[in-house]
Amino acid sequence: AQKVTQAQTEISVVEKEDVTLDCVYETRDTTYYLFWYKQPPSGELVFLIRRNSFDEQNEISGRYSWNFQKSTSSFNFTITASQVVDSAVYFCALSEPASNAGNMLTFGGGTRLMVKP
Amino acid sequence: DSGVTQTPKHLITATGQRVTLRCSPRSGDLSVYWYQQSLDQGLQFLIQYYNGEERAKGNILERFSAQQFPDLHSELNLSSLELGDSALYFCASSLGLGTTNEKLFFGSGTQLSVL
Repeated sequence: AQKVTQAQTEISVVEKEDVTLDCVYETRDTTYYLFWYKQPPSGELVFLIRRNSFDEQNEISGRYSWNFQKSTSSFNFTITASQVVDSAVYFCALSEPASNAGNMLTFGGGTRLMVKP
Repeated sequence: DSGVTQTPKHLITATGQRVTLRCSPRSGDLSVYWYQQSLDQGLQFLIQYYNGEERAKGNILERFSAQQFPDLHSELNLSSLELGDSALYFCASSLGLGTTNEKLFFGSGTQLSVL
């Protein structure tokens, strides 16, 4: 069975600090996808990134970057120069789509990030 | 705005009652997914429909049922409600089956409170 673990339940930083959110996953499949979603205080889930299991290149998008390491089954998310607007709960998720079935995301427990001014 | 519309935004009801949550997917999306977010269980996948047919099932209780209509909107029916059913229910949609590298677009959720 697949599993996603976000060991950090809550992180508090001061604005402009860099922060890394950890995500460790378990799966028996060789083909899978990893995601990060953001849930701001307003409640909606906002897609941040999707990565497939064959693409281990790290990705940078503005102040956000992701480090995918298959060897350690980790997909960590770093926010550089954090801002108050980054305060939210961040979810890491794993999916194992099958050709004859549908798709379901397994979410981690989430990490609540608080960025203080 | 994700383009996924969920109604109502808030629902307060009593134990034993039945409610219906509604979801309209993004224009053109054929798959609809339902997720439950609760304090004790976190975010859990309930069920997926693709073009009117059930495609994947997660930890959905027998008291819960869903369907997707010809116009592709979906409804999640929750019956014999219990206090523990209080949660934020999300609907998401995607263009296809979800077997390829596509992302899900989530609605803003329906907050259900069972008193």
